[in-house]
Amino acid sequence: EVQLLESGGGLVQPGGSLRLSCAGSGFAFNIYTLSWVRQAPGKGLEWVSAITGNGGATNYADSVKGRFTISRDNSKDTLWLQLSSLRAEDTAVYYCTKTQGTSFGPFDYWGQGTLVTVSS
Amino acid sequence: EIVLTQSPGTLSLSPGERATLSCRASQSVTSSDLAWYQQKPGQAPRLLIYGASSRATGIPDRFSGSGSGTDFTLTISRLEPEDFAVYYCQQYGSSPRTFGQGTKVEIK
Repeated sequence: EVQLLESGGGLVQPGGSLRLSCAGSGFAFNIYTLSWVRQAPGKGLEWVSAITGNGGATNYADSVKGRFTISRDNSKDTLWLQLSSLRAEDTAVYYCTKTQGTSFGPFDYWGQGTLVTVSS
Repeated sequence: EIVLTQSPGTLSLSPGERATLSCRASQSVTSSDLAWYQQKPGQAPRLLIYGASSRATGIPDRFSGSGSGTDFTLTISRLEPEDFAVYYCQQYGSSPRTFGQGTKVEIK
């Protein structure tokens, strides 16, 4: 059974940093592109960042470019998202997602999400 | 960036009725790389449809998708109580991957 388990969310002050983790299991972790998708309270879904299976390519939404960094360690079946220079508008539930295909594709599995709250 | 506009914002229907949800793209979606997701309160989204018309694993056949280019539709043939939720379309053919703003299907 495919599982994605996020952790690392919490309350952080504006300008602060946080690192989110996502542990994967039940699939060949090193093959699939993984993404982070966020959802602000009461709002819709926003794709944040993606990384290919071997970690060789990454991309970011314009809203987080230069502030967030996605990475992965395939030996540990773990995905990370480093959040820096946080703003109030980054407050959201952050979901880890697996792409159906090995590169582009829909998100066929989602974690349960971890809440990041940016507030003083 | 491809902007996806969903309509209506809210759909009020009764169990057993047919639901038709629309998703319009600001430019043509590559190779019908269009997906639909269902989200219930407090839960993560669930993939329903990909490639505009293919059902994901385990999705009942009352859910169907159609369309190409810039106009896509999700149809729920007969609403079951568990289908009342928010539905999002997403294009994944070009970067950035973008979502529509969602359509809420509520009980009338």
